[in-house]
Amino acid sequence: AQSVAQPEDQVNVAEGNPLTVKCTYSVSGNPYLFWYVQYPNRGLQFLLKYITGDNLVKGSYGFEAEFNKSQTSFHLKKPSALVSDSALYFCAVRPGGGFKTIFGAGTRLFVKA
Amino acid sequence: DGGITQSPKYLFRKEGQNVTLSCEQNLNHDAMYWYRQDPGQGLRLIYYSQIVNDFQKGDIAEGYSVSREKKESFPLTVTSAQKNPTAFYLCASSIIVEGGPQAFFGQGTRLTVV
Repeated sequence: AQSVAQPEDQVNVAEGNPLTVKCTYSVSGNPYLFWYVQYPNRGLQFLLKYITGDNLVKGSYGFEAEFNKSQTSFHLKKPSALVSDSALYFCAVRPGGGFKTIFGAGTRLFVKA
Repeated sequence: DGGITQSPKYLFRKEGQNVTLSCEQNLNHDAMYWYRQDPGQGLRLIYYSQIVNDFQKGDIAEGYSVSREKKESFPLTVTSAQKNPTAFYLCASSIIVEGGPQAFFGQGTRLTVV
């Protein structure tokens, strides 16, 4: 079965420290990978995506993600967290050649001042 | 401004009622989607449409219906057959192109059964 796993329900980090939000996937073919962020009672906002090429992808608001094919992972990272980064983060994958996008359950990030 | 507009933001439904959630986009996107969001479950696909007058069931279509009479509009009806409709509903759209385009989301409609 095709799936996306975000193993942590919540991640806590102090402001100024680096953050990592984990994502692993299981899909057939070469996947297209995405990260979205959601603020309370709002829709999702696109952060970044991996289609092909360089395994390190840079996105909005200083976020980046590293694609690791052997570990089937696509972890979201930021060198220095801000309190305003506190939100719900979703990893998503679209199987190569497919049309539907599969979303993870989400990870809530808390950044403490 | 280009974007996706969902209305209403909050909706209350009585038992046995059908309700319709509106989704309009002015991004000229061909594809539109409806997702349901429940706490701890991520987003689940209800219906999607790639072209006017055509749509496909997603993973949890039972108790829902849609139409796509115009490119800009993709309303979702939550019928009385949906036994647990209380959730946050998100509409999204995207272009159709090989390579996985990202989706643009509306602000959501929170539906509560009273």
